[in-house]
This record gives sequence, C-alpha cells and structure tokens, in this order.
Amino acid sequence: GQQVMQIPQYQHVQEGEDFTTYCNSSTTLSNIQWYKQRPGGHPVFLIQLVKSGEVKKQKRLTFQFGEAKKNSSLHITATQTTDVGTYFCAGPDQAGTALIFGKGTTLSVSS
Amino acid sequence: DGGITQSPKYLFRKEGQNVTLSCEQNLNHDAMYWYRQDPGQGLRLIYYSQIVNDFQKGDIAEGYSVSREKKESFPLTVTSAQKNPTAFYLCASSDSPYNEQFFGPGTRLTVL
Repeated sequence: GQQVMQIPQYQHVQEGEDFTTYCNSSTTLSNIQWYKQRPGGHPVFLIQLVKSGEVKKQKRLTFQFGEAKKNSSLHITATQTTDVGTYFCAGPDQAGTALIFGKGTTLSVSS
Repeated sequence: DGGITQSPKYLFRKEGQNVTLSCEQNLNHDAMYWYRQDPGQGLRLIYYSQIVNDFQKGDIAEGYSVSREKKESFPLTVTSAQKNPTAFYLCASSDSPYNEQFFGPGTRLTVL
C-alpha cells in the first residue's frame, strides 16, 4: 500500500547546529504537509506545499517539495531549544479520503 | 474560541471494560479522524468520517467503534476486543481530506 517514510527517526544536535529531516512517498502526492508535535503535546500544522519544486521559508525553517512530488525535506538553521519535538510529514492518500503520516523525526537539542 | 476538544485528558480503565473517548469540534469541518499514537509508531488512523452519518475504517480499526450523529461530534469507543488499548488517542478535523488537520489535545488511555 501507499507509504510515507521519514528519516532519520531520531536526531540529536547541539544548539546552533542545523537539522534536516527527509520524507519520501511511495506514490506521487498532490501536496505534502508538515506538522510539529512538542513533547506531551499534539501535532500542529506547520505548512503545506503543493507545487513541484516548491520551496517555502518560515523564519529558520525551510521546506522543499521535490520535482517529482514524491519527496520533501524540512531544514532548520541554527537550532534552538524551542525546536525540540517530533516533525511529521503527511500526504493525501490516493483515494483522497485521508492523510498518510510518516512516523516522524524526533529532534532533541542540547544547549 | 474555535477548536477541537477531547475529554478526558487522562483515562484509566480496567481490562475488559469498554470506554468512550469524546471529540467535539466547532470549526464547522466536515471531516473528522481518530488516530492512535504509540512511541516510535507515528500516527495510525483508526476511523475517519467525511460526513455526518458516514464513517470508514482506517488502518487499525479492529477493537474500536465510532459514530457520527452530529457534525460536531465523533466519539470513539475502545472495546474489550482491542488487545492492547493503552495508548495516546488523538482526534482531528479538516474542511477537506486534502487540507491541514486540526488536532485536539489528545486522551491518554491506560488500561490496567
């Protein structure tokens, strides 16, 4: 079946270092969405990318959608302790009925 | 204040008992979803509903049941047939299956 995979599963960085998480889908996606879940919290929507090759920035966060619309990445520049959490990517299933979530990348940051 | 509410935040039940988790939204969204989250497993879809009085099984529906009698409400019942019910349960809603989902704060269920 359709799958969305994320790597790495865990990443630990020193504060100030950069961080990247990668998302790959087994099928072409109409859009890709990114969510952040803080420890003990619930997922919160960050952004949606729709166009092939699209790049969007939110302050220190840069999101990319691949040319083939099957992969995406989230890059954080100069991480801060407030970036700690699990980052999920998600894309609509082929039937257009629900989102398929990746298993997430958990980021920890030490100061 | 618009959003999704889930209650209770923590729930303890004895093995063999059915338990119902509440999910209410005032966002006027047609679509609602239930997910289960276990450590390292991401979000697994239990049931979803695109419209009132209609719902579909997700990837792990066995041992769960839902109803959608009102647009605002999508309660989830964890039955005694669910072999490993202890988990974090998240409810979400969206105006379209293609668009962003808004999540509730979640219910952490522990079965003793």
